[in-house]
Parts: sequence; C-alpha cells; structure tokens
Amino acid sequence: AQSVAQPEDQVNVAEGNPLTVKCTYSVSGNPYLFWYVQYPNRGLQFLLKYITGDNLVKGSYGFEAEFNKSQTSFHLKKPSALVSDSALYFCAVRDPPAGANNLFFGTGTRLTVIP
Amino acid sequence: DSGVTQTPKHLITATGQRVTLRCSPRSGDLSVYWYQQSLDQGLQFLIQYYNGEERAKGNILERFSAQQFPDLHSELNLSSLELGDSALYFCASSIAGGIYNEQFFGPGTRLTVL
Repeated sequence: AQSVAQPEDQVNVAEGNPLTVKCTYSVSGNPYLFWYVQYPNRGLQFLLKYITGDNLVKGSYGFEAEFNKSQTSFHLKKPSALVSDSALYFCAVRDPPAGANNLFFGTGTRLTVIP
Repeated sequence: DSGVTQTPKHLITATGQRVTLRCSPRSGDLSVYWYQQSLDQGLQFLIQYYNGEERAKGNILERFSAQQFPDLHSELNLSSLELGDSALYFCASSIAGGIYNEQFFGPGTRLTVL
C-alpha cells in the first residue's frame, strides 16, 4: 500500500533563511510525487511534481524538491524563505501499480516564516 | 485562482439531512476528483470521474454519491448526514485522468453538520 509521511507538523524558519519541509514515501512501484500548498481559506495549489528524470525538481514561487530514491524522500526546499511562504504544505504520492489516479496526501506541515 | 469553482462556499445543515455540493472544472479538464479534508482524517480521496464515467473510488461512504454531467460539472451528494461528516470538501480537476497530470483544486465547500 502507498503512504506518505510528513514527520513535522510544524516548521518555523526566519525570513531569509533556507527552509526544508520533509516528506518520505512508501510505494510498491515507481513513485509519482507532488507538493501542494494550502493558504488559509483557500484550496490547494500545485507547487511541483516528480515523475522521472532529474532528481532536483524546480517548481512555483522559487520552491524546489529533491527526489532521493535510496532514502525514499522528497523534501521541499527553498533557498530564502519569505513571510508570504507561511502556509500548510502537503506532500502527495501516486502509486501507478495500485491502479488509481488519485493522490494520497501526507498529514501536512505548517510552515511559519518569522519576520 | 485555479479555475475550478465550487458552490456553495459554506453549508450548515442538521443531522439526517441531504446536501449537494457542486463543482465546475477548469475549462478543458475532463477529470474531476472529490476530496474530504477533516482534522482527524486529513485529506482523503473520495471519488474520481473522467468524462462522465466513474474512474476510481476511495474512502467514500455508501451515504455519499457523485456524478459528472455531460457539461463536465460534477455534484457530490451527501445524505443521512452525521456530525462526523463536517469537513471541507474539495473538488479538483485535471486535463486527463492520467497519473502524470497535476490536479487543480477549487476553494472548497465547508460543510457543518449540527
């Protein structure tokens, strides 16, 4: 069965510092990994995805994520955090051999960027 | 703005009642997904439709049903509502039903069951 773990419920970082939001996954085949962000009272917004190819994926708003197959991780990163990055971040996975095209989401990590 | 619209934004109803949530996908998107977000269960997939047909089913209760109409809008019907059904219900759409396509989410409908 597929699963996604976001080990940190809350991450605090000072504005201008690099940020990392962690995600690990478990799938039966090759993973298809996604990051979404949810701002207060808004729906989820797509940030980036890993399907195949380069392990470093670049996405929206200066975010990037690194796929690490040996560690089964897909951590979200940004070199310099902005206060406006404060939001709830979700990692999600699709597991093709399981058949369905839906996303399995982690529990979310609340990022707070401190001015 | 993702281009996915959901109505209503808020819904307050009583236990035992039935409600209908509506979703219009982005222009050109054929696939619609429904998700439920609650504090205790997190974000869970309910059901997917592709071009009018059911494509995949997740943790959807038998009291819930959905359909996608010829104009591609979708409705999620929730009946015999219980307090535990209170949640944020999201609709998402993608251009196709394939596994590579990212999904675009609507703003959600917040359902409160009293």
